[in-house]
Amino acid sequence: SQKIEQNSEALNIQEGKTATLTCNYTNYSPAYLQWYRQDPGRGPVFLLLIRENEKEKRKERLKVTFDTTLKQSLFHITASQPADSATYLCALGASGNTPLVFGKGTRLSVIA
Amino acid sequence: GAVVSQHPSRVICKSGTSVKIECRSLDFQATTMFWYRQFPKQSLMLMATSNEGSKATYEQGVEKDKFLINHASLTLSTLTVTSAHPEDSSFYICSAKGLDNEQFFGPGTRLTVL
Repeated sequence: SQKIEQNSEALNIQEGKTATLTCNYTNYSPAYLQWYRQDPGRGPVFLLLIRENEKEKRKERLKVTFDTTLKQSLFHITASQPADSATYLCALGASGNTPLVFGKGTRLSVIA
Repeated sequence: GAVVSQHPSRVICKSGTSVKIECRSLDFQATTMFWYRQFPKQSLMLMATSNEGSKATYEQGVEKDKFLINHASLTLSTLTVTSAHPEDSSFYICSAKGLDNEQFFGPGTRLTVL
């Protein structure tokens, strides 16, 4: 069955450092991968989408890589700030209207 | 990015009553919307896929007669929790698929059944 693993349940880093979150998957050939941010009591907020034929995507302080050979995506937040503290979810998608498959998320805490 | 709204944001009801939750895509049309449930400190659990003009597709273990989904227009899907019980208390979130496969989520509805 499809499996998505996000490297750790929780990650603590110092303000100003780069946070790196990992998403690994098995038994799946996604057409694209998405990253979301979720704050407590709120719905997930879409951050980035990267397609299977793309290696890297950037948006402001965010960078996502996608390696379909390793079946892995890395999500980087550079110059991290306490306001970046949240749970980050990765999700895999296929073409058409098939639902996304979500990982369990990594709770990031950026310490001032 | 695209905006998806949900109403109400919070509802408290008595056991046995029905509750309707609305999900709207505000600035785009969505032929497909999704309904999720999330328990504290757990991941999103897909309940059903809502298709405009046709019946919803429910995930295994989700009772379609209990969780009624209607997707009557390209911008509105509703989830009705019928005869709600305390175990239905949860955080319900909808999402709508954009043109480029991005999925945009609503802010969620906190349901508490007494």
